[in-house]
Amino acid sequence: DAGITQSPRYKITETGRQVTLMCHQTWSHSYMFWYRQDLGHGLRLIYYSAAADITDKGEVPDGYVVSRSKTENFPLTLESATRSQTSVYFCASSDESRWEQFFGPGTRLTVL
Amino acid sequence: DAKTTQPTSMDCAEGRAANLPCNHSTISGNEYVYWYRQIHSQGPQYIIHGLKNNETNEMASLIITEDRKSSTLILPHATLRDTAVYYCIVRGNQAGTALIFGKGTTLSVSS
Repeated sequence: DAGITQSPRYKITETGRQVTLMCHQTWSHSYMFWYRQDLGHGLRLIYYSAAADITDKGEVPDGYVVSRSKTENFPLTLESATRSQTSVYFCASSDESRWEQFFGPGTRLTVL
Repeated sequence: DAKTTQPTSMDCAEGRAANLPCNHSTISGNEYVYWYRQIHSQGPQYIIHGLKNNETNEMASLIITEDRKSSTLILPHATLRDTAVYYCIVRGNQAGTALIFGKGTTLSVSS
């Protein structure tokens, strides 16, 4: 199916564990983004990528690692999960000609 | 990026027009006004954007004041499915620039 997908949709993990959230888009968009959304807050940017092998930090990057070896995938890794990383994570993509971002359905992560 | 100010919440009757205001008094000349909405538990959805002229698409209309310090998103015939949080975002015109979300306006449409 065309579009942007995220997996898993729900994840429960424990403090200290490594977790990877997957994001896949089928449009070959150049730009991809990771946001987190906490109760009472708008979305905050974690990392973004302008192309394969090009990534940069956003507003709240601490505790997260990203990679982008292929244009269509942009995984987000929590190297050692903490309770403060309990959140809903949204991936988004956009291309160079259209400036709107297309968002995935989100991953709800709970860190116990 | 310029900061935006929106009311926390608004109510609208089904079938009526919903007019959502946004103040962005510090907007600079090359910044666009974007509107997104987020229906409960879903990812944000792009609605419309504009620079200085009024814009209309199949979802909504965007009215930007002449001095560009404020704008209004208009949903001409609100339905129950339009109940969502609406975000007004000001952003430069570089492709791929991240969006900065505030707390938005919670629009409740009732029958």
